[in-house]
Amino acid sequence: SQTIHQWPATLVQPVGSPLSLECTVEGTSNPNLYWYRQAAGRGLQLLFYSVGIGQISSEVPQNLSASRPQDRQFILSSKKLLLSDSGFYLCAWSFGNTGANEKLFFGSGTQLSVL
Amino acid sequence: SQQGEEDPQALSIQEGENATMNCSYKTSINNLQWYRQNSGRGLVHLILIRSNEREKHSGRLRVTLDTSKKSSSLLITASRAADTASYFCATDEKAAGNKLTFGGGTRVLVKP
Repeated sequence: SQTIHQWPATLVQPVGSPLSLECTVEGTSNPNLYWYRQAAGRGLQLLFYSVGIGQISSEVPQNLSASRPQDRQFILSSKKLLLSDSGFYLCAWSFGNTGANEKLFFGSGTQLSVL
Repeated sequence: SQQGEEDPQALSIQEGENATMNCSYKTSINNLQWYRQNSGRGLVHLILIRSNEREKHSGRLRVTLDTSKKSSSLLITASRAADTASYFCATDEKAAGNKLTFGGGTRVLVKP
């Protein structure tokens, strides 16, 4: 069976500090990978998605970047955090090569507070 | 901009009652999905309905899709306190590629 791991669960960082959130998927190959951000009480905003190693699509210009160094590893980074980067970050995956978006499987999320 | 918009934003019902929430979208879709999120947790997939389907059931869940009106509804029958959560619709736009677009969600409170 497939599992997704996302860490850390909570993170408090000062403004201007770097960020690295990691997400890994087990039990499948060549998944589509996603990073979403959720403001408190709001819906999900797609930040990045990837259909393969080294293939990253950015949805929103921002202070963040994403990388996919391995097939089942997706990393969200920032060189210098802003207050506006605070939020709940969710990693997700779906089966690749389906031609359409089937169900997403979400990680448990990271609550990031930038102070 | 949001592709899917849920209505109402919040819903409070008694245990045993039915809960209905709606989702409207703007462009042609391949499928529409509903997800559930407990507070502070990740989303869990509930049901997927394809553009050529009109109704789908899963346990106490019933989803309808009206592509002419670009809308969908999620009905939870005989609600339980454990159904308290936020519910989101997500659309797979035909022109959007490999991604889903989520609405703002409906917060459902089921009182025991």
